[in-house]
Amino acid sequence: TQLLEQSPQFLSIQEGENLTVYCNSSSVFSSLQWYRQEPGEGPVLLVTVVTGGEVKKLKRLTFQFGDARKDSSLHITAAQTGDTGLYLCAGPDSGGGADGLTFGKGTHLIIQP
Amino acid sequence: EADIYQTPRYLVIGTGKKITLECSQTMGHDKMYWYQQDPGMELHLIHYSYGVNSTEKGDLSSESTVSRIRTEHFPLTLESARPSHTSQYLCASGDDRDPYEQYFGPGTRLTVT
Repeated sequence: TQLLEQSPQFLSIQEGENLTVYCNSSSVFSSLQWYRQEPGEGPVLLVTVVTGGEVKKLKRLTFQFGDARKDSSLHITAAQTGDTGLYLCAGPDSGGGADGLTFGKGTHLIIQP
Repeated sequence: EADIYQTPRYLVIGTGKKITLECSQTMGHDKMYWYQQDPGMELHLIHYSYGVNSTEKGDLSSESTVSRIRTEHFPLTLESARPSHTSQYLCASGDDRDPYEQYFGPGTRLTVT
């Protein structure tokens, strides 16, 4: 079973600060997805990274896929209160043709005004 | 904007009752999924479907069943609800072009008393 470990589990910072959260695995993934989930809602897809070393930017969010495709990071510049949420990384489940995703437990991010 | 709907959003029901959680999508996606998410825990795949008349069990064993009679509809049924079924149930869909970019509904929060 492929596992995705996310760190930190919880992060609370002030508005305007920068932060980085991590997603690590001992397994190679063909791609990784990042989702954001707000309380009482389903996850919303933010980005997919496919190529080792790839960097994608989404406004103030920067996503990087590790060269070995075993890890990924999400960096937020000048965090805003609207960035508050649960950030989940996910990757294709290697268990067979379901196309289902393996998810990490997520990083709970709170941006304080 | 993803168009995937789940009803009910919240359900409190007594032990032994039969329940059906509804999931519909208007994107014409062939692939649909059910995930289960407990508080503070990762999402786990419990069922998936490749298309009409296709249903398979996911990684996490579940006493629920699913059906796929129409492309847009993927209901989940519990014949006899138990307190151990209390959880958040999330439905998702994806298309063949990017099967790992899944679109989630808002979820059903089920409480069995």
